[in-house]
Amino acid sequence: GENVEQHPSTLSVQEGDSAVIKCTYSDSASNYFPWYKQELGKRPQLIIDIRSNVGEKKDQRIAVTLNKTAKHFSLHITETQPEDSAVYFCAANPGNTPLVFGKGTRLSVIA
Amino acid sequence: DAGVIQSPRHEVTEMGQEVTLRCKPISGHDYLFWYRQTMMRGLELLIYFNNNVPIDDSGMPEDRFSAKMPNASFSTLKIQPSEPRDSAVYFCASKTGFRQETQYFGPGTRLLVL
Repeated sequence: GENVEQHPSTLSVQEGDSAVIKCTYSDSASNYFPWYKQELGKRPQLIIDIRSNVGEKKDQRIAVTLNKTAKHFSLHITETQPEDSAVYFCAANPGNTPLVFGKGTRLSVIA
Repeated sequence: DAGVIQSPRHEVTEMGQEVTLRCKPISGHDYLFWYRQTMMRGLELLIYFNNNVPIDDSGMPEDRFSAKMPNASFSTLKIQPSEPRDSAVYFCASKTGFRQETQYFGPGTRLLVL
């Protein structure tokens, strides 16, 4: 089955700096890769996703890149702000089956 | 669209009591998922349904846990009897049957078993 590894588990950045979170997956059949943000005490919420026919996707300060050959994908947050502090989860979907989630990255943006 | 609805939002109970968590998926979604989240174990998939039928319950920790989906708009997760180690946040999520469609999470039920 699919296995998703996520790094780092914790990340601290200064406000205004960039943050990068990386994930690898094992199943070459995976074709959908969402990223969720979970603020303290809240539900995981989709912030961006990418499908396997696209190499990069950007939405304002957030971008995701996908390397199918290497089986890894990354979340990039530029010009970080304190409100970006949260736990971020990557996930992969090898088909019409449940998403397989990474263990999460706790991002702290220091003002 | 009201999103995925869960109730109760918070539940405090004593060990040995029965706990029932409820979920209403987004209308038109034919997949429903139950997750448990703890600091130690992260986000765990417990069970999921497709068209009201349980597909995979391998994540259900013990026979004390059971889940049902009597119709397309309602599901329950029951713990009987509850134990302190069941304390966690339980999320319900739903999605459509198409590939490459994301899951939408409910607000969660925070369960504390004393």
